[in-house]
Amino acid sequence: DIQMTQSPSSLSASVGDRVTINCRTSQTISSNLNWYQHKPGKAPKLLIYTASSLESGVPSRFSGGGSGTDFTLTISSLQPEDFATYYCQQSHITPFTFGPGTKVDIK
Amino acid sequence: EVQLVESGGGLVQPGGSLRVSCAASGFLFRSYGMNWVRQAPGKGLEWVSGISYSGSRYYADSVKGRFTISRDNSEKTLYLQMNSLRGDDTAVYYCAKPRDDGAWGGGFDIWGQGTMVTVSP
Repeated sequence: DIQMTQSPSSLSASVGDRVTINCRTSQTISSNLNWYQHKPGKAPKLLIYTASSLESGVPSRFSGGGSGTDFTLTISSLQPEDFATYYCQQSHITPFTFGPGTKVDIK
Repeated sequence: EVQLVESGGGLVQPGGSLRVSCAASGFLFRSYGMNWVRQAPGKGLEWVSGISYSGSRYYADSVKGRFTISRDNSEKTLYLQMNSLRGDDTAVYYCAKPRDDGAWGGGFDIWGQGTMVTVSP
């Protein structure tokens, strides 16, 4: 199975900050990497698919990059509604593992 | 509107069984693979199982041999039969649709609201 790591596991940031979250996979997955935002009591929301494609309706302050085994999610200017937990997920091969998550909270 | 609605969660004793369902609407269900993802209390997301549009089935090691995924295209419904349930199966169970028909690579763009399964004596 492909193992996923994310860093940091949590971070505190202020509105307007630039935030970067990292995701690493245990083997190469080409660009088959997706990012989700998850808030308590809500369904997860797809933000970025195939490493760098912005899902329809997602604000342009979100961007993704990377390929192979190293990927990033960047929020260019953090907004109040962005405080949540973020997960990467590989869809290269089953099982479609998720990373452990990065919790973004208010400084 | 594209929508997924789960049902069937509840309280079950260890060793027991439960079947959860996911009713789909607003898209051509038979053309898409479908998935189950769960979140245990205080934990992260865990992919549980997937079924392709053609009926091929895939499972996480943690549920292999105990859970069975199936689909009824005429009813536009996805199922997860859970047997030999354990305490660590306690979680919110979500069904999720992949972004692309006939493929897995584009992530899961539509999720249900989730159904809670609690395994406890």
